This record gives sequence, C-alpha cells and structure tokens, in this order.
Amino acid sequence: KQEVTQIPAALSVPEGENLVLNCSFTDSAIYNLQWFRQDPGKGLTSLLLIQSSQREQTSGRLNASLDKSSGRSTLYIAASQPGDSATYLCAVSNFGNEKLTFGTGTRLTIIP
Amino acid sequence: GAVVSQHPSWVICKSGTSVKIECRSLDFQATTMFWYRQFPKQSLMLMATSNEGSKATYEQGVEKDKFLINHASLTLSTLTVTSAHPEDSSFYICSASRGRDTQYFGPGTRLTVL
Repeated sequence: KQEVTQIPAALSVPEGENLVLNCSFTDSAIYNLQWFRQDPGKGLTSLLLIQSSQREQTSGRLNASLDKSSGRSTLYIAASQPGDSATYLCAVSNFGNEKLTFGTGTRLTIIP
Repeated sequence: GAVVSQHPSWVICKSGTSVKIECRSLDFQATTMFWYRQFPKQSLMLMATSNEGSKATYEQGVEKDKFLINHASLTLSTLTVTSAHPEDSSFYICSASRGRDTQYFGPGTRLTVL
C-alpha cells in the first residue's frame, strides 16, 4: 500500500526566502507525482505534475524534482511571497491505477 | 479549460437527513470522477471512484450504502450522504479526469451535520 509523507508539517519563513518542501513515498512504482496548493476551506490547485520518466518540472518560481528510486520529491519555492501562504500537498498515482494517494501536507506561512 | 464545479459549496443539515452533493465537469467530458473526504487539518482521503454508467468502486472502510454515488453522465456525478450524522461532517471534494490524465478538482463542499 502506497504511503506518502510530507515534512515538515508546518513551516514559517520570512518573505523573500527560498524554501524547500519535502515529499516521500513508499512504493517507487509510480506513474506520476503532483504538487497541489490548497487555501483554507478551498479546493485544490494543481501546481506541477511530474511523470515517472521525468526528473523535474518548473513553473515560474516553483521547481519540483523527482527521485523515483529513493521515493522522494521536493518542491522548491524561490523568493517566497505572502501570497504563497497555503497548504501544499503532494500526491502520487501508481501504474495501472488512476487513484491518487495524498501526503499529509505542509502548511506554509510566509511572514511579511 | 478543465473546470470542475461543486454544488452546494456548503450545507448544514439535521442529523438523520440525506444530503446530495453535485460534481460537474463544465468544459470537458469526464470518464472518471473521484470523491474525497477531508477532515480538519488532515489530508484528502479517497472515498470512491466512479465511471460513467457503471457502479462506483468504494475504498476500504467506506460504506457504500451510506455514501451513494451516481455517475449518470460524462459531466455529472452526485454523492448522497444518507442518514447523515455529526461524524459525517467534513469537507467533500470531487475530481474529474479524462482518462489517464491529471485530475481536476472541484472547490469542495463543506457539510455540517447538527
């Protein structure tokens, strides 16, 4: 059974700093991995999707990397802004199965 | 593109009543829709997967007779919480996909059972 863990559970950093969020998964036979953002009481916004054959994806100030063999992914946020404050979730899908297994989330607070 | 809506966005009901939540894909046809539940400060837990025209597949521990799912068309799935109780209070989120594609998530429905 796939299990996804995110560290840290919560993170507060001053505005302007670069930061890294971590995601680990137990079953490396993944099809893809996604990073999502969730604002309080809201649904999910997809940030980046990395296919199993890819090593990283970039979108603006966000960069996600994937090391499938070690079961890890990182989300790098450059030059953080107060608007980046949200909960960040990673989720993986396995081959032959569309189901997403979500991580526990990291609640990020950017201090102005 | 790929917008998913949910209705209602929030609902309060009395214990013992049934509540229906709709999930619609507005600009694409969704071959598969997923229903998730999220308790406060916890992650999303998949409840069931539904394909248009067939019975939903429920995850272990989810009561199919309590959480009725209907996927009558390629753009609409409904989740009915039957005989709701306070412990069913949660944030329910649906998602839709066009096959082996990313899932597009709805904005969620906050259910409060008094």
